[in-house]
Amino acid sequence: RKEVEQDPGPFNVPEGATVAFNCTYSNSASQSFFWYRQDCRKEPKLLMSVYSSGNEDGRCTAQLNRASQYISLLIRDSKLSDSATYLCVVTFQGNLIFGKGTKLSVKP
Amino acid sequence: NAGVMQNPRHLVRRRGQEARLRCSPMKGHSHVYWYRQLPEEGLKFMVYLQKENIIDESGMPKERFSAEFPKEGPSILRIQQVVRGDSAAYFCASSPLGQGNQPQHFGDGTRLSIL
Repeated sequence: RKEVEQDPGPFNVPEGATVAFNCTYSNSASQSFFWYRQDCRKEPKLLMSVYSSGNEDGRCTAQLNRASQYISLLIRDSKLSDSATYLCVVTFQGNLIFGKGTKLSVKP
Repeated sequence: NAGVMQNPRHLVRRRGQEARLRCSPMKGHSHVYWYRQLPEEGLKFMVYLQKENIIDESGMPKERFSAEFPKEGPSILRIQQVVRGDSAAYFCASSPLGQGNQPQHFGDGTRLSIL
């Protein structure tokens, strides 16, 4: 079983749509959780940290369910510039463990 | 306020040559991490270094790969006798504190191509 699993996509959505990304992780001792985005042939950039209480940043909402070992990211009112690969990341003993990412393509 | 700087951006080597990848962390960051991303794959941790110390090299291949972070100058990831399978994007990240529950800031990466 992979440590961090994500649907590879691609998700093809029209502008203005709401998009949901899901991620599961295998290690119940994972300590911290993040969503990164990676544009084609670019470096990963931190999108937001994820907390058990849920957190929001602009059009993005992230949720963590420790009992189910499940993390989600919701992007509302999607823009063309949201097109990228979204990486689910967990930490264990200080190491970042990356999922393979879910590719999002927002169409006009 | 420069971010993590990596060079070169692109590196082409023939099989059997050596590849040297450099990384300068963000100002004020003394912790450096190297990752490898194969085509269509996720990032894989390779090594974590502080100045003059390797803290965790659990992700480094046992042979041909080495890393250092000297007291002065950038961190270096060195690959000896490169093979086609070494072709990948190599990313460096830095953080101000040690491994823990914090995000890391990534450089633009070095894309290594082996002919």
